Amino acid sequence: QSALTQPASVSGSPGQSITISCTGTSSDVGGYNYVSWYQQHPGKAPKLMIYDVSNRPSGVSNRFSGSKSGNTASLTISGLQAEDEADYYCSSYTSSSTLVFGTGTKVTVL
Amino acid sequence: EVQLVESGGGLIQPGGSLRLSCAASGFTVSSNYMSWVRQAPGKGLEWVSVIYSGGSTYYADSVKGRFTISRDNSKNTLYLQMNSLRAEDTAVYYCARGIAAAHDAFDIWGQGTMVTVSS
Repeated sequence: QSALTQPASVSGSPGQSITISCTGTSSDVGGYNYVSWYQQHPGKAPKLMIYDVSNRPSGVSNRFSGSKSGNTASLTISGLQAEDEADYYCSSYTSSSTLVFGTGTKVTVL
Repeated sequence: EVQLVESGGGLIQPGGSLRLSCAASGFTVSSNYMSWVRQAPGKGLEWVSVIYSGGSTYYADSVKGRFTISRDNSKNTLYLQMNSLRAEDTAVYYCARGIAAAHDAFDIWGQGTMVTVSS
């Protein structure tokens, strides 16, 4: 199972909105509404930000939103803040009943 | 408090075996689906294995036939038995709890345990 494709880096100024893409195939992202997004700060465990494409767990800021179109899922961070600077990973359930993560995106707040 | 604590990592020679443990508190391991996820130094996240509440297990191709996920309900602990270890298995290993209302999404993660495979 190949990793889902994400841009290596995305940057934005405080207050701006940024979008991170996550491209897979019809066997994973495109075939199921089971895409999640995780935030990971250096040396820390991942934190769930979005599940099932667009649902936010309790306690996650509503500045984070998710969507999907075809084989590509997206995470949008609005009102970018310094604390949002981190690595972000998407994940998707697959037709093999396994899970696959994305390649990861480093978000930089300018 | 709901938490996961991994243990069992360390330095092991290629071809060796190691068993990782993930002790849960604040919830019941057997009532949730649980996964192991690893991260090689400076690299991204890689899913390793999952065990569902019904007992079904699945593995990444990279570890299939070498790793075994299991749980001990009496100890409320998740395990990962790793055999025939290779240098490319070197990573921080995290255990994670699945969200009941979601499919393959993990809301509680341990702090991770480092496994280094080297001679």
